Amino acid sequence: EPEVTQTPSHQVTQMGQEVILRCVPISNHLYFYWYRQILGQKVEFLVSFYNNEISEKSEIFDDQFSVERPDGSNFTLKIRSTKLEDSAMYFCASRRGGNSNQPQHFGDGTRLSIL
Amino acid sequence: QQPVQSPQAVILREGEDAVINCSSSKALYSVHWYRQKHGEAPVFLMILLKGGEQKGHEKISASFNEKKQQSSLYLTASQLSYSGTYFCGTGANNAGNMLTFGGGTRLMVKP
Repeated sequence: EPEVTQTPSHQVTQMGQEVILRCVPISNHLYFYWYRQILGQKVEFLVSFYNNEISEKSEIFDDQFSVERPDGSNFTLKIRSTKLEDSAMYFCASRRGGNSNQPQHFGDGTRLSIL
Repeated sequence: QQPVQSPQAVILREGEDAVINCSSSKALYSVHWYRQKHGEAPVFLMILLKGGEQKGHEKISASFNEKKQQSSLYLTASQLSYSGTYFCGTGANNAGNMLTFGGGTRLMVKP
């Protein structure tokens, strides 16, 4: 069964450094998402992306964050200057179509640790 | 505003039933249920759309009461594999972009 894949599984970065998290969504999916989950807490929406542009973003997704689909398969999340509070599990998700009756499928996540 | 889940945690013996509720203060279009095991990604269970439908998936089913803006997840004859944290994610419109997740319900099934 096709799945969303994320790399790396764990990223350790010094505070202030830039980090890029990578995702390969399911191949025929058109909608892409990033969520984060701070340890022991709920999953929080960051951004959704469709047709090469951001369709919705949360207040967490400030100017330090950006997303890109650099080619036909990858979907990336960049954090420009990381802070300690950016430490979390970051999940990428993708959805096939535009209706709410279609599920978002999550990848296994990237654990980001900021030192 | 995030949906409120209850209970926060529940411990069951194998074979027992449980109900997990998800309530929102604002109008909902859809409710998505996920189960997450420790250290893993959330796994999709089912979606319910407004209109008050009910769905089933093996021994796990759910309902959506549009009037009350509430969804309930029913786990019957629980198995050890049901252990995990259950999250409801709510969608406010048919565009279905962002999901707003509740705080989760931690379920532990013991032998």
